[in-house]
Amino acid sequence: SQTIHQWPATLVQPVGSPLSLECTVEGTSNPNLYWYRQAAGRGLQLLFYSVGIGQISSEVPQNLSASRPQDRQFILSSKKLLLSDSGFYLCAWDQGSGAFFGQGTRLTVV
Amino acid sequence: KNEVEQSPQNLTAQEGEFITINCSYSVGISALHWLQQHPGGGIVSLFMLSSGKKKHGRLIATINIQEKHSSLHITASHPRDSAVYICAAPLQGAQKLVFGQGTRLTINP
Repeated sequence: SQTIHQWPATLVQPVGSPLSLECTVEGTSNPNLYWYRQAAGRGLQLLFYSVGIGQISSEVPQNLSASRPQDRQFILSSKKLLLSDSGFYLCAWDQGSGAFFGQGTRLTVV
Repeated sequence: KNEVEQSPQNLTAQEGEFITINCSYSVGISALHWLQQHPGGGIVSLFMLSSGKKKHGRLIATINIQEKHSSLHITASHPRDSAVYICAAPLQGAQKLVFGQGTRLTINP
C-alpha cells in the first residue's frame, strides 16, 4: 500500500541551529514530492517540489533547502534557523492516481 | 491571485445543517482533491475527482469542468466535522499541487 512517513512530529529548536526534516514514501516509485509550510492561521504554502532524484524546484526564496538523495526520500534542511521558520511543515506526494500527505512536523524556533 | 480559490474562508453552522464549500480554479487541471485538516495538523484526503460527483457517507464532492468549479457538501453536519477543508489541484503542464486557502468549518452542537 502507498504510505508516507514524516518525522519528527514536533520539534523545538533554538535560533541559529540546523534543521533536518525527513520524509519517505512507500508503495510507489518516481513520485512527485512536495514540502509545504503552513504558518499560524494561514494556508499551505509550497516550498519545494521534486519530480526526480536530485531535481528540486524552489517556489519561495528563503532560509531553507531541500534534497532528494533517493527516489522515495525528501529532506528539508536549514543551516541556521530563524524565528520566522516556525510553522507546520507538511510533506506530500502525488502521482496522478492520488495525493498523500505526511502527518506533518510542528516546528517551533525559540 | 491564486490559481485555486476557496470560499468561504470561515463557516460556522449548527449541527444538522447542510454545508457547502466552494472551490474555483483559473487554469487547466487534471483532477481536484478535497482534503480535511484537523486541529492537530494532520491532513486526510477525502476525494479526488476529475468529473461528475463522488459520495462518501455524508460527504459529496462535485466538479464542473466547463465552469472550473467544484463544491464539497456535508449533509447532516456534526460537530466532529469541524476542521479546515482544503481543495488542491495538480495543474496541467505544471508538476505541482496547488492548494486553496482552506475553509475553516465550525459546527456547533
